[in-house]
Amino acid sequence: KAGVTQTPRYLIKTRGQQVTLSCSPISGHRSVSWYQQTPGQGLQFLFEYFSETQRNKGNFPGRFSGRQFSNSRSEMNVSTLELGDSALYLCASSPSARYNNEQFFGPGTRLTVL
Amino acid sequence: AQTVTQSQPEMSVQEAETVTLSCTYDTSESDYYLFWYKQPPSRQMILVIRQEAYKQQNATENRFSVNFQKAAKSFSLKISDSQLGDAAMYFCAYRSGGAGGTSYGKLTFGQGTILTVHP
Repeated sequence: KAGVTQTPRYLIKTRGQQVTLSCSPISGHRSVSWYQQTPGQGLQFLFEYFSETQRNKGNFPGRFSGRQFSNSRSEMNVSTLELGDSALYLCASSPSARYNNEQFFGPGTRLTVL
Repeated sequence: AQTVTQSQPEMSVQEAETVTLSCTYDTSESDYYLFWYKQPPSRQMILVIRQEAYKQQNATENRFSVNFQKAAKSFSLKISDSQLGDAAMYFCAYRSGGAGGTSYGKLTFGQGTILTVHP
């Protein structure tokens, strides 16, 4: 079974631009969570989608948004990029809504904002 | 809000020796799950071990075991017979077991511990 895939793997943008990152979960997984990883703040939860619905959201500004499609693939969008948005963005998929399910992580998208 | 603290930014161990990574957490919930994840230089997060809070028995996975002290809110990871491939950043993570919107899909991570394994 293929793992979680994220595209692109690396991205360079300039301040003010917007960016869209994509995550394809493991086949059959319906829950997708997104995390931002930076050296200063560590790993922080962005949001979670299940069956095309956002069920949970972390403490990030409205510039960060996401969506999930009927095939469970998910995208996250960051508008009006700031230098501080430079980070590794990880997505993780889980088979169902059970709380003890393991989250399977993708390799991440490294975003650099210049 | 729940918090997870890893007080050891870096640890080192000799190959074949044993090392223990510390983690403490703060929560008012009684139902939750704790995890240790490994992140090697490739950045791929890999689950090492999982502990359900309602289980008194400490979880073990081959060379990896935990010491779960619920009253003390402590969740340490012991790696036995350390191997060069164990070198990575290790994260302790908390997940609420309660129902409700703030529980869905959210792992709360500690700051991580960089483990170096010396040959």
